[in-house]
Amino acid sequence: IQMTQSPSSLSASVGDRVIISCRATDDISSYLNWYQQKPGIAPKLLIYAASSLRSGVPSRFGGSRSGTNFTLTISTLKPEDFATYYCQQTYTSPWTFGPGTRVESK
Amino acid sequence: QVQLQESGPGLVKPSETLSLTCSVSEYAITSGFFWAWIRQSPGKGLEWIGDIDRSGTTYYDPSLNSRVVISVDTSKNQFSLRLTSVTAGDTAVYYCARRAHDWGWLDPWGPGTLVAVSS
Repeated sequence: IQMTQSPSSLSASVGDRVIISCRATDDISSYLNWYQQKPGIAPKLLIYAASSLRSGVPSRFGGSRSGTNFTLTISTLKPEDFATYYCQQTYTSPWTFGPGTRVESK
Repeated sequence: QVQLQESGPGLVKPSETLSLTCSVSEYAITSGFFWAWIRQSPGKGLEWIGDIDRSGTTYYDPSLNSRVVISVDTSKNQFSLRLTSVTAGDTAVYYCARRAHDWGWLDPWGPGTLVAVSS
């Protein structure tokens, strides 16, 4: 199963609402996870099962599903949210990641 | 809280074997979960290599299957990766992580270790 993400990068300002899309090439039910990665640091889990927030992750992060399309929303962008975001499907092995979406400061 | 730490050589020669170990603290490997290896290179992004459960059952990416062995040492609370016949294409940051049985999420991850394949 291939995962695509759009956009590949975006520029945003603190306080903006940011939406990142992820699409699977086949049905993955809700087996979709989102990770945040900052330069030189390992990815961190944000959301699992498409819309469940990992404990300790701020509530401004949210996830949703519509068929094979998934969305990560950051309701109000904070300075610490500038990073690269990856989606990952864990429905069918091999578990595959999207290519990432880089959120940059405008 | 659970912590993972990768260790191993940072430089491997082409055609040789890459060997890494992941040490797990504050959680017994035998308690459950899968234990995974993932790598990240500029050209290929994030790539799941494989994982192992507490009984030693392994799951590998088919594209690497013939070259990969993941093993677990419960006495040391560690699990290991061996990747044979490496090429420059195997140069990457290698991460270990805990993978959930139900939804498959990876959390936490180790800090990662850069392995370069070069003569």
